[in-house]
Amino acid sequence: GAGVSQTPSNKVTEKGKYVELRCDPISGHTALYWYRQSLGQGPEFLIYFQGTGAADDSGLPNDRFFAVRPEGSVSTLKIQRTERGDSAVYLCASSLSGASTDTQYFGPGTRLTVL
Amino acid sequence: AQSVTQLGSHVSVSEGALVLLRCNYSSSVPPYLFWYVQYPNQGLQLLLKYTSAATLVKGINGFEAEFKKSETSFHLTKPSAHMSDAAEYFCAVSGGSQGNLIFGKGTKLSVKP
Repeated sequence: GAGVSQTPSNKVTEKGKYVELRCDPISGHTALYWYRQSLGQGPEFLIYFQGTGAADDSGLPNDRFFAVRPEGSVSTLKIQRTERGDSAVYLCASSLSGASTDTQYFGPGTRLTVL
Repeated sequence: AQSVTQLGSHVSVSEGALVLLRCNYSSSVPPYLFWYVQYPNQGLQLLLKYTSAATLVKGINGFEAEFKKSETSFHLTKPSAHMSDAAEYFCAVSGGSQGNLIFGKGTKLSVKP
């Protein structure tokens, strides 16, 4: 079956611009996670959705970052006024129910480069 | 708070040799532990997970890991390395009731012919 997909695979933007990154989770998965992976580091948690609501956004670094999941499926991560430090690979994952024992299935990521 | 430490950012083994990748965790609650593998330009793929059943967990591609509470460890092993095992490996602990994962910094495994 189809896995988690993310678009675009690569995004190059200029400092100060606005970007949107999209995630299509596995069908039927109620839990969706966003992570950010900087070079040489493990993924860092950003935000968790259960259905349509953001159940935990404690990982968002500041108010320039925002994410939505309006219909409980596709999610969009939005970054305003991008900075060079935002350059990273943004990973999306989904799991069946969001339980701590659930397997999270990861997409291939979006590589964001801010010039 | 929970955290994971992976000892060794880079491990190199010969083909056919034992693979041992180390992971130690810190957790104030009983942990759930995961090992993921990341091949170049691909997403993270689950190798195995510990969810408080058997302490010796077997995963895909011949990998296994043993949960040792007394040592707060969850090391990943494979008896005989293949060239195809070359990748980056991440250990992670489940961060609480909502399941977000806390990852280590990763260990890059190289396999020499």
